Amino acid sequence: DAKTTQPPSMDCAEGRAANLPCNHSTISGNEYVYWYRQIHSQGPQYIIHGLKNNETNEMASLIITEDRKSSTLILPHATLRDTAVYYCIVRVATGNQFYFGTGTSLTVIP
Amino acid sequence: GAVVSQHPSWVICKSGTSVKIECRSLDFQATTMFWYRQFPKQSLMLMATSNEGSKATYEQGVEKDKFLINHASLTLSTLTVTSAHPEDSSFYICSALLGAYGYTFGSGTRLTVV
Repeated sequence: DAKTTQPPSMDCAEGRAANLPCNHSTISGNEYVYWYRQIHSQGPQYIIHGLKNNETNEMASLIITEDRKSSTLILPHATLRDTAVYYCIVRVATGNQFYFGTGTSLTVIP
Repeated sequence: GAVVSQHPSWVICKSGTSVKIECRSLDFQATTMFWYRQFPKQSLMLMATSNEGSKATYEQGVEKDKFLINHASLTLSTLTVTSAHPEDSSFYICSALLGAYGYTFGSGTRLTVV
């Protein structure tokens, strides 16, 4: 599975949009981009995933560049409860293991 | 949605004893489950892949005799930390594969070995 690169930490003001970038320059054509988050001392929580089109659900939006070498997770109106570590993972849909990178620690500031 | 229940949520044990952690899929059958370990301020590290009815596959560097995995049914996988030592103290998390939608994770088990 392709490696991903994320900034180690970010801050965001409460109520503002949080934009979390992820680089995956070696992604192959059949690999999806997944985003998970982990609130302190809990198991990771699925947020969203996509292949090449932008995706939106009730939690977030995922913007994937046309060359698929990077993506951005957007939390449209960040709340204090969104403070967590966000992981970007690329994986083939039929693949097995999930390998986590270092993620981005997002702190939402009141 | 698909839920994985992990038990216990925390456990304290004496050095040299064994501890069993259970991971159950509540409303679906999980042919494949995964076990992760996470040290403070670090990312999740995959330990092993657990397949129902067959031997687990361990990641490089993980001692299979120390971390015993059993996946005897489609809804239950267990991780036993044998002869636990303080360096085994960690946060252990299980997950189950949901196909193209990725994984669903348990809530984790905080193991402290004293």
